[in-house]
Amino acid sequence: DAKTTQPPSMDCAEGRAANLPCNHSTISGNEYVYWYRQIHSQGPQYIIHGLKNNETNEMASLIITEDRKSSTLILPHATLRDTAVYYCIVRGINNAGNMLTFGGGTRLMVKP
Amino acid sequence: DTAVSQTPKYLVTQMGNDKSIKCEQNLGHDTMYWYKQDSKKFLKIMFSYNNKELIINETVPNRFSPKSPDKAHLNLHINSLELGDSAVYFCASSQERGVWNEQFFGPGTRLTVL
Repeated sequence: DAKTTQPPSMDCAEGRAANLPCNHSTISGNEYVYWYRQIHSQGPQYIIHGLKNNETNEMASLIITEDRKSSTLILPHATLRDTAVYYCIVRGINNAGNMLTFGGGTRLMVKP
Repeated sequence: DTAVSQTPKYLVTQMGNDKSIKCEQNLGHDTMYWYKQDSKKFLKIMFSYNNKELIINETVPNRFSPKSPDKAHLNLHINSLELGDSAVYFCASSQERGVWNEQFFGPGTRLTVL
């Protein structure tokens, strides 16, 4: 699975959009981009995933660049409860065991 | 209803002991996992298991062994506990391996080895 790079921390004002970048320049054609988050002391929670098209669900939007070398997770109206560590993960369809490889993630602090 | 549950939530034990952590999922999933999160907060996969296959992360010592009495349970047994085993252990499950699937995580078990 391709390696990902994320900024270690970011701040966002409550009610504003939080844009979390992820670099995955070595991604290959059959690898998906996943986002999970971990709120303090809880287990990780799935947010969204995509292959090459932009995706949106009730939690967030995922924008993937045309060359697929980077992506951005967008929380449109961040709340204090969105304070968490956000993990960008690249996983291929041939990944044995469907194992997720978590990196350092981005610690998002939403401030009032 | 809790989707993925773990017991105990906290476990404090002495070096050299053998302990188990239990995991149950009521989602009807066929694949379960164990992850370890150390003091630096890095989350690492340990095992992936369904009724056909166990996949072990090569970095996991053989003192760790998953045991599945049935499809809804994957327990983690740890023999001869060491100080470095202190961590939070997360169980997870998913519907199936494949192109994509969402993994559901349990609340974690904080293991402290003294």
